[in-house]
Amino acid sequence: EAQVTQNPRYLITVTGKKLTVTCSQNMNHEYMSWYRQDPGLGLRQIYYSMNVEVTDKGDVPEGYKVSRKEKRNFPLILESPSPNQTSLYFCASSFLARDEQFFGPGTRLTVL
Amino acid sequence: GENVEQHPSTLSVQEGDSAVIKCTYSDSASNYFPWYKQELGKGPQLIIDIRSNVGEKKDQRIAVTLNKTAKHFSLHITETQPEDSAVYFCAASKRSGGKLIFGQGTELSVKP
Repeated sequence: EAQVTQNPRYLITVTGKKLTVTCSQNMNHEYMSWYRQDPGLGLRQIYYSMNVEVTDKGDVPEGYKVSRKEKRNFPLILESPSPNQTSLYFCASSFLARDEQFFGPGTRLTVL
Repeated sequence: GENVEQHPSTLSVQEGDSAVIKCTYSDSASNYFPWYKQELGKGPQLIIDIRSNVGEKKDQRIAVTLNKTAKHFSLHITETQPEDSAVYFCAASKRSGGKLIFGQGTELSVKP
């Protein structure tokens, strides 16, 4: 089944404890992206990747890191999480940047 | 910076009525405008998109119109059904690059 998977789906952590949210797609898509969703603010793009080893900042990259070492995976890294990073995170992928994006099921992160 | 404004934030209609959601964008270089539907507990899903070389696109009960001069675009849903109840997001991106800017979202409620 063609899909985007994210893990974990739910995570509660404490300030400063490094964490990684994984994202994987099985559709051979070149483009991948991370978003956060907050009430009243819609979806805001954190980072995106046009292809392997090519990443770029979205609108809200502060406090996040990403890597794209292989085509199918695009992990989101929070080196030192803070409470303002409490949010619902979505990973998405598409063949090219301006094609239909397929979203994962989301990861709900709480930073205490 | 680039910005997409979406209105209204909530919309309630009776089953069978039409619903209209409007978005304006700030960057005149934007030329790709997708609309996503997000059902409760799920990731967003593309329902329709339009590129700047056309002014209107229709797919069954859903249509999108684009006014490049005024920098706004709208989603029209006719003969609404309870299963249309969801959060709808508009978005805009430019020809080059991978940035996608989303609006704040509209929560549509269709009452039977």
